[in-house]
Amino acid sequence: AQSVSQHNHHVILSEAASLELGCNYSYGGTVNLFWYVQYPGQHLQLLLKYFSGDPLVKGIKGFEAEFIKSKFSFNLRKPSVQWSDTAEYFCAVYNTNAGKSTFGDGTTLTVKP
Amino acid sequence: DAGITQSPRHKVTETGTPVTLRCHQTENHRYMYWYRQDPGHGLRLIHYSYGVKDTDKGEVSDGYSVSRSKTEDFLLTLESATSSQTSVYFCAISDSRAYNSPLHFGNGTRLTVT
Repeated sequence: AQSVSQHNHHVILSEAASLELGCNYSYGGTVNLFWYVQYPGQHLQLLLKYFSGDPLVKGIKGFEAEFIKSKFSFNLRKPSVQWSDTAEYFCAVYNTNAGKSTFGDGTTLTVKP
Repeated sequence: DAGITQSPRHKVTETGTPVTLRCHQTENHRYMYWYRQDPGHGLRLIHYSYGVKDTDKGEVSDGYSVSRSKTEDFLLTLESATSSQTSVYFCAISDSRAYNSPLHFGNGTRLTVT
């Protein structure tokens, strides 16, 4: 069974600091990778996605993620965070054979103004 | 935002009672999912549907059943609610099994079992 591991449960940063959230998955087959964001009191929204091609993908609001196949990783980055980035971030792996997504436990990001 | 409506938004119920949560979509998407979200556990798949009357179990399906009699509606039933089923429940839809179809989520139902 596939699994997704997010290393950081809670990250606290000051505005303008750089962000990197780790995500590793365990599945040897073809996967499609996603990062979702959940702002306080809201539902999950897609941040960015990777299917193939350039392993560095750019998403909304200045976020980007790099797929490193050899490390089974898909880390999320942002050069300079803002207070409005305070949210919970979920990494997800979509198994094309099973037709299901597996989510990591989530990382709560708190950005101090 | 995708047209997904979950009802009710909040519910408090007693242990042992049956509860049904509804997910309604206006996108005509084939795939529908029920997840539960709990602190420290992220989102866990309960059941999903890949078409009318076609459903399958997820990783935490015990104590839950689902039905999909129409494309637009996906019902989740807790047959006899327990306190361990206190959670936030999210419905999600996706267009197809194609790799380029992310999940679109509803606003969630907060269920408390006392």
